[in-house]
Amino acid sequence: DSGVTQTPKHLITATGQRVTLRCSPRSGDLSVYWYQQSLDQGLQFLIHYYNGEERAKGNILERFSAQQFPDLHSELNLSSLELGDSALYFCASSVGQGNLYEQYFGPGTRLTVT
Amino acid sequence: GENVEQHPSTLSVQEGDSAVIKCTYSDSASNYFPWYKQELGKRPQLIIDIRSNVGEKKDQRIAVTLNKTAKHFSLHITETQPEDSAVYFCAASGDSSYKLIFGSGTRLLVRP
Repeated sequence: DSGVTQTPKHLITATGQRVTLRCSPRSGDLSVYWYQQSLDQGLQFLIHYYNGEERAKGNILERFSAQQFPDLHSELNLSSLELGDSALYFCASSVGQGNLYEQYFGPGTRLTVT
Repeated sequence: GENVEQHPSTLSVQEGDSAVIKCTYSDSASNYFPWYKQELGKRPQLIIDIRSNVGEKKDQRIAVTLNKTAKHFSLHITETQPEDSAVYFCAASGDSSYKLIFGSGTRLLVRP
């Protein structure tokens, strides 16, 4: 157990819908990273937050947004869902925002869009 | 843009043999190279990492080598065991952005 929690574990929804994925980092970690893992695209970085502020963006679609709250938990919002959004979504947390700090991955949320 | 290529995509070895997975990165500013092991349906777990000021690092049966000039790094697993069977991902990141750029993964099967 990495200490990072993600809810829900599984999510099945229809095209066009909107969902929210939640991540609670390890106690004391200020950074949260979101990654998408799909069969054809592998593990892809989406976005990084540090202490409530967005620090870096990857290939995140405009239909996706995220935020990190004052208690440091983070939410990833996916809207106008398409079949291709079906994937495993991982969040990872680390103490700081540099690559001196190991990123600990949560168990993931498996999203299925039908 | 930033890219990490990983080979082979699948690797099957006999228990006790060695396994080598190779990665090449494109961003010369990359300075941190972790390796993750992911079992089916589970989260990626860091198994070893190396920084650009080091050429080789070893942890029991696992070693990683880095050639900055050629921009490639490799994972070496010796005396493989069935529990080493998993998907292994290499990744790279740099100081300009701390995001991890992952390779496409290698599915390792260790045959008993």
